[in-house]
Amino acid sequence: ELKVEQNPLFLSMQEGKNYTIYCNYSTTSDRLYWYRQDPGKSLESLFVLLSNGAVKQEGRLMASLDTKARLSTLHITAAVHDLSATYFCAVDDPKTSGSRLTFGEGTQLTVNP
Amino acid sequence: DTEVTQTPKHLVMGMTNKKSLKCEQHMGHRAMYWYKQKAKKPPELMFVYSYEKLSINESVPSRFSPECPNSSLLNLHLHALQPEDSALYLCASSQTRLAGAAKVYNEQFFGPGTRLTVL
Repeated sequence: ELKVEQNPLFLSMQEGKNYTIYCNYSTTSDRLYWYRQDPGKSLESLFVLLSNGAVKQEGRLMASLDTKARLSTLHITAAVHDLSATYFCAVDDPKTSGSRLTFGEGTQLTVNP
Repeated sequence: DTEVTQTPKHLVMGMTNKKSLKCEQHMGHRAMYWYKQKAKKPPELMFVYSYEKLSINESVPSRFSPECPNSSLLNLHLHALQPEDSALYLCASSQTRLAGAAKVYNEQFFGPGTRLTVL
């Protein structure tokens, strides 16, 4: 059974600081996704990482994937309040009958002024 | 049209009611999904439809009954629910393509969800 672990689960940081969220998963997969969820809202796709060594950046967020270590990171640079949300990583266990996403528990990020 | 829509946004129902949740997408995606999300928890997969056929049922109780009338629509019929079924129900869709004999599924796009309360 595929397991996905995120840490930290809660992160409170000051504006302007940097931090990294980690996502470990238990079995081989070459598809990893990062989603953002605001309170009471749906999931917004942030990054799709499809191969070992993939690195993607959007604004103050950068995601990377190391399939050999079964590790993805989401790095936040110079945080701003608007980044406050819950961030989920999700690993895909694709089968011919359908894609099955297994989510981490989520990291609740609060950026304080 | 690059979005997944869901109706209703909110639903309150009693344990003896029958109701349906609806999901629609016009992106040509041939895989559609239902997820359940409790507060402060990650989404949990319930059902997957691939090319309008049910391909994954994650051992969901029979009081939840999915239906895919065509490639753009996905319904979730609800009957005799319990208060613990109260949650945010999310629909998603993804593009698929054939790679030889296998199907490859791409990124899932999520709808806004239906907030369900069972009294």
